[in-house]
Amino acid sequence: SQKIEQNSEALNIQEGKTATLTCNYTNYSPAYLQWYRQDPGRGPVFLLLIRENEKEKRKERLKVTFDTTLKQSLFHITASQPADSATYLCASTTNAGKSTFGDGTTLTVKP
Amino acid sequence: DTEVTQTPKHLVMGMTNKKSLKCEQHMGHRAMYWYKQKAKKPPELMFVYSYEKLSINESVPSRFSPECPNSSLLNLHLHALQPEDSALYLCASSPTGGAPSRGSPLHFGNGTRLTVT
Repeated sequence: SQKIEQNSEALNIQEGKTATLTCNYTNYSPAYLQWYRQDPGRGPVFLLLIRENEKEKRKERLKVTFDTTLKQSLFHITASQPADSATYLCASTTNAGKSTFGDGTTLTVKP
Repeated sequence: DTEVTQTPKHLVMGMTNKKSLKCEQHMGHRAMYWYKQKAKKPPELMFVYSYEKLSINESVPSRFSPECPNSSLLNLHLHALQPEDSALYLCASSPTGGAPSRGSPLHFGNGTRLTVT
């Protein structure tokens, strides 16, 4: 079965810096990778999706890359703000719509 | 607030009780999902309904019984649960069950926090 590894359980950065989160998958190449944000006591909120034939996607201060050779996706938040503090989940999704989530990285942006 | 509504927000039940979790969406999505999330763990897929038919059951114990009465509603019937079933139960929907040509992000509700005593 697919295994998703997010390399850091926690990431602390200073406000204004760029946060970079890593997601690695171990088995088959997913149809697409998704990134979600989850705040305590809330459901995950979709942020960005990148397909296997895409290299990079951007949305405002967010950027995601997909490297099928490295079996890796990187998620960047530029000009980070304390409000960006949350847990970020990576999910690998198959053609059948089955999504497998990583354990998440908890980002703390300090003022 | 999310566009996927789950009720109740909190539920405490005994091991002999029967209860149901409800989920509703009015975005016209045709796929609906149940996920289970334990503290500090990722969501784990339980069931997927696509066009109101059960398409994926991740070997979930029969004490959890899903139902999709129509394209907007999804229920999860609970019976004879165990304390280890205590978790946050998340409902999600997506436009389709897969459609990789377009991508199908999941829209989650805020979950039902279930405690089994």
